[in-house]
Amino acid sequence: EAGVTQFPSHSVIEKGQTVTLRCDPISGHDNLYWYRRVMGKEIKFLLHFVKESKQDESGMPNNRFLAERTGGTYSTLKVQPAELEDSGVYFCASSQVPLGTDTQYFGPGTRLTVL
Amino acid sequence: EDQVTQSPEALRLQEGESSSLNCSYTVSGLRGLFWYRQDPGKGPEFLFTLYSAGEEKEKERLKATLTKKESFLHITAPKPEDSATYLCAVNTGGFKTIFGAGTRLFVKA
Repeated sequence: EAGVTQFPSHSVIEKGQTVTLRCDPISGHDNLYWYRRVMGKEIKFLLHFVKESKQDESGMPNNRFLAERTGGTYSTLKVQPAELEDSGVYFCASSQVPLGTDTQYFGPGTRLTVL
Repeated sequence: EDQVTQSPEALRLQEGESSSLNCSYTVSGLRGLFWYRQDPGKGPEFLFTLYSAGEEKEKERLKATLTKKESFLHITAPKPEDSATYLCAVNTGGFKTIFGAGTRLFVKA
């Protein structure tokens, strides 16, 4: 069974540019999460989808970040325009059951560098 | 504010030297506590979920325990391949998970 995949693995962009990160969850997993780890800090929750619906986006830092999950399959996270402080590793995770305590399976992450 | 604190930040062990990692939490209401392992360049890999004080779970050389204020990850006779960052996280209800900063474990042969 394929795990959670993320694309790209690395992205280097200039301040003010736009970047779109993609996450493909494990097949059949309705729950999809985005997290971010900035340098030297802990992993922080960004938002959670159940199928195509956003259930909790309390962790999104500001309106420069837009997450979508059309059709309830893969998800994208767009940063527009990117700022220096957006640099970090963005993780996606998925789970099968709509419970906060259900096991989450993480992807390898996308390392974003904003210059 | 809900908070998860892990200690030590880094731990260096000799192969076979058992030790414990600590995760203390201050939360409004614990629904579940998770332990993950993370290798460089990879995402966190699930190890255990603990739900209530007194609960214990084991997997190979790892054993996780939970009290009302903290959790321990005990590593018995570690091997070099156990070297990784170990992350603790909690769920307090809903779908938001709060992570600690992790403990970097180095096991020398």
